[in-house]
Amino acid sequence: EVRLVESGGDLVQPGGSQKLSCVGSGFMFSDSDIHWVRQAPGKGLEWVARIGSKAHNYATIYVESVKGRFIISRDDSKSTAYLQANSLRREDTAMYYCVRGVDDAFDIWGQGTLVTVSS
Amino acid sequence: DFQLTQSPSSVSASVGENVTVTCRASQNIRSWLAWYQQKPGTPPKLLIFATSRLQRGVSPRFSGRGSGTDFTLTINGLRPEDSATYYCQQGQRVPFTFGPGTKVDV
Repeated sequence: EVRLVESGGDLVQPGGSQKLSCVGSGFMFSDSDIHWVRQAPGKGLEWVARIGSKAHNYATIYVESVKGRFIISRDDSKSTAYLQANSLRREDTAMYYCVRGVDDAFDIWGQGTLVTVSS
Repeated sequence: DFQLTQSPSSVSASVGENVTVTCRASQNIRSWLAWYQQKPGTPPKLLIFATSRLQRGVSPRFSGRGSGTDFTLTINGLRPEDSATYYCQQGQRVPFTFGPGTKVDV
């Protein structure tokens, strides 16, 4: 079965940090571009970041609102991707989905992990 | 950034009817347009990519058309399980962006 499973979401104070993890199985994780997409409660979808596969030089790119605060990384030996979220703001509160990108669409989605930024 | 708008924002239709959702891009995105279905409490599901290519396992009742800036998703023969929010997404240029969503009530 093809799966992505996220973990690490929690209640965090403004200005705090959180590291999200995403484990893939059932497909060639190392050959895949991995993205993070988030969804604030009751709102629409927002693409956050992408890390390319080795073939794409592990290139990373971010949405403007998280540049300098979030870091996407991966460890293909563990079929795992990460999102290190620093200097968190209330507006970062969202369900964070780990997603596989293919042909610039997102074909595999995890169930999501919830990050709540609140004092 | 490439902005996407969707219309209508919500629609109600009966079982067996057809529904068309429109997505308009602020700039030419060629054919890099995907459609997703999301039901409450679940992640989005890819329905169509590259404007008209049906994702494996998705019902052929779903179809997509368009190019450039104007795109449509049509659901033929609505079923109760099609009740969901539908999002378009452009993959032409980073940052990848989504439309605001269309809620379909069957």
